[in-house]
Amino acid sequence: VLTQPHSVSESPGETVTIACIRNSGSIASGYVQWYQQRPGSAPATIIYDNNQRPSGVPDRFTGSIDVSSNSASLTISGLKPEDEANYYCRSYDSSAAVFGGGTRLTVL
Amino acid sequence: QVQLVQSGAEVKRPGSSIKVSCKASGGTFSDYAISWVRQAPGQGLEWIGGVIPVFDMSNYAQAFQGRVTMTADPFTSTAYMELTSLGSEDTAIYYCARGREVDIAVPPVVPFYYYGMDVWGQGTTVTVSS
Repeated sequence: VLTQPHSVSESPGETVTIACIRNSGSIASGYVQWYQQRPGSAPATIIYDNNQRPSGVPDRFTGSIDVSSNSASLTISGLKPEDEANYYCRSYDSSAAVFGGGTRLTVL
Repeated sequence: QVQLVQSGAEVKRPGSSIKVSCKASGGTFSDYAISWVRQAPGQGLEWIGGVIPVFDMSNYAQAFQGRVTMTADPFTSTAYMELTSLGSEDTAIYYCARGREVDIAVPPVVPFYYYGMDVWGQGTTVTVSS
């Protein structure tokens, strides 16, 4: 199970970090992906393999994992109004794949 | 750049079945994993399962075991997801998504690695109502 905060908010130009805590098994047992979903749209991949960005995703989006806290993080710097969306982490192990519950990012 | 185009919205009666299609255009298909994800109204994303056509391999989330079947036709570059015994809780938008490319010489040991989503379809709205 992957646990995310229900919502976060921050001002334009600032930096926000969204956590994704793995409650069972090691965060290192499966790569983490992050998806952005704007209202009324299909999700889009913004991070894969813990910290890799698909082409076209700005480097304001950074992914990382922390084995000590058994969690992954998505950091968005230089927040823009268009970053307002829902963000989901996703990972897997040898027997299952699962999404986090999602985090609503509000850019004030 | 590959695009995934899904079949149109459907309304189904409780107890019936649905088969959603996902056609790939502009890129290769059979050497990639395909995932299916759903999103109930106002809710988050839920992974249903996936299929790796070149190995005729499929994997399903435990919550859907016995009720879902995922297939793919490499000749038409189309993937299908069939869900049976529909209930109101199955009302959702269903998405297909292309995953990673597999090495056709080596069957995946951890297929869930390949089900990470890259390109997404536009979604198919399924409403289950009497």
